[in-house]
Amino acid sequence: GQNIDQPTEMTATEGAIVQINCTYQTSGFNGLFWYQQHAGEAPTFLSYNVLDGLEEKGRFSSFLSRSKGYSYLLLKELQMKDSASYLCAVLDSNYQLIWGAGTKLIIKP
Amino acid sequence: TAGITQAPTSQILAAGRSMTLRCTQDMRHNAMYWYRQDLGLGLRLIHYSNTAGTTGKGEVPDGYSVSRANTDDFPLTLASAVPSQTSVYFCASSELAGPGRNGYTFGSGTRLTVV
Repeated sequence: GQNIDQPTEMTATEGAIVQINCTYQTSGFNGLFWYQQHAGEAPTFLSYNVLDGLEEKGRFSSFLSRSKGYSYLLLKELQMKDSASYLCAVLDSNYQLIWGAGTKLIIKP
Repeated sequence: TAGITQAPTSQILAAGRSMTLRCTQDMRHNAMYWYRQDLGLGLRLIHYSNTAGTTGKGEVPDGYSVSRANTDDFPLTLASAVPSQTSVYFCASSELAGPGRNGYTFGSGTRLTVV
């Protein structure tokens, strides 16, 4: 079966750096997405990786290793507004998005 | 602001009743999707439409139906609601079929409770 694994919850301190990991086992791979979802709100697109390596976008970076079935989202200079759930999703060989359950990130002052 | 509008925001529905969740987008996106989100689970695709006039079944289509009469609207109907359909429902869209490099745009969701 297809599977996306992320930690359920993480806690970090304002101003610090946090890395949220995602491992996947899917039938094929056509790209990996990260979304941010604040409580009670819609998911919003953060990043897309299809080739190995690091994609940087401001305070957020996303890394992909296709051979390891692994990605991470790196958040720098954490702000209180970064408290949210972070969803990892993989586009499989049928171009269907497979979603992880999300990682709830709690930022403490 | 351009985007996706979902209605209602929340609803309590008696089991056995029918209900239509509305979804309208003004971005002229070709593809639209309905997902449900349950605690501890990833988003699960219910139905999708790659273009007006066509629809397809997702991962969890049973108990739900959709129609796509035009580009903008993609309503989701529960014919006879059951408590297991209690969930948060998100409508999403993309310019073409599949998320592309920019992912999906999501509506703000409908929180449905079936009692």
